[in-house]
Amino acid sequence: GQNIDQPTEMTATEGAIVQINCTYQTSGFNGLFWYQQHAGEAPTFLSYNVLDGLEEKGRFSSFLSRSKGYSYLLLKELQMKDSASYLCAVFDSNYQLIWGAGTKLIIKP
Amino acid sequence: IAGITQAPTSQILAAGRRMTLRCTQDMRHNAMYWYRQDLGLGLRLIHYSNTAGTTGKGEVPDGYSVSRANTDDFPLTLASAVPSQTSVYFCASSDASSGTDEQFFGPGTRLTVL
Repeated sequence: GQNIDQPTEMTATEGAIVQINCTYQTSGFNGLFWYQQHAGEAPTFLSYNVLDGLEEKGRFSSFLSRSKGYSYLLLKELQMKDSASYLCAVFDSNYQLIWGAGTKLIIKP
Repeated sequence: IAGITQAPTSQILAAGRRMTLRCTQDMRHNAMYWYRQDLGLGLRLIHYSNTAGTTGKGEVPDGYSVSRANTDDFPLTLASAVPSQTSVYFCASSDASSGTDEQFFGPGTRLTVL
């Protein structure tokens, strides 16, 4: 079967750095997405990785290792507004998105 | 309108009733999707449409049907609602020519079936 694993919940302090991990086992791989979802709202796109390595976009960076079936989302200089769920999703061989259950990130002052 | 809209925002429905959730996008995206999101589970694909006039089944299609008569609209119908269909439903769209094929989501419909 296809599976995406992420921690259920993480807590971090305002101003700090946090890394959210995602491991996947899917039938094929055509790219990995990270989305942010605030409570009661729709998911919004953060990043897309299709090649190995680190993609940096402001305070957020995303890393991919296809050989290890592993990605992480790195959030720097955490702000209270970063409190949200972070969803990892993988395009499988049929270009259908397989979603993880999401990681709820709690930021404390 | 700009982006993707859904209606209604929320609905309470008696079991056995028929219900159509509406979704409209004005971005001229070719692909559209319906997901359900339940606590502790990832988004699960119900149905999708790669282009107007075509539809396909996702991971959890039973009890749901869709149509794609034009580019902008992608309604989801529950023929006879059951309590297990209580969920938050998200419609999304994407442009396959964009390179990343990121999906844009509507605000969601919170459906309760009693």
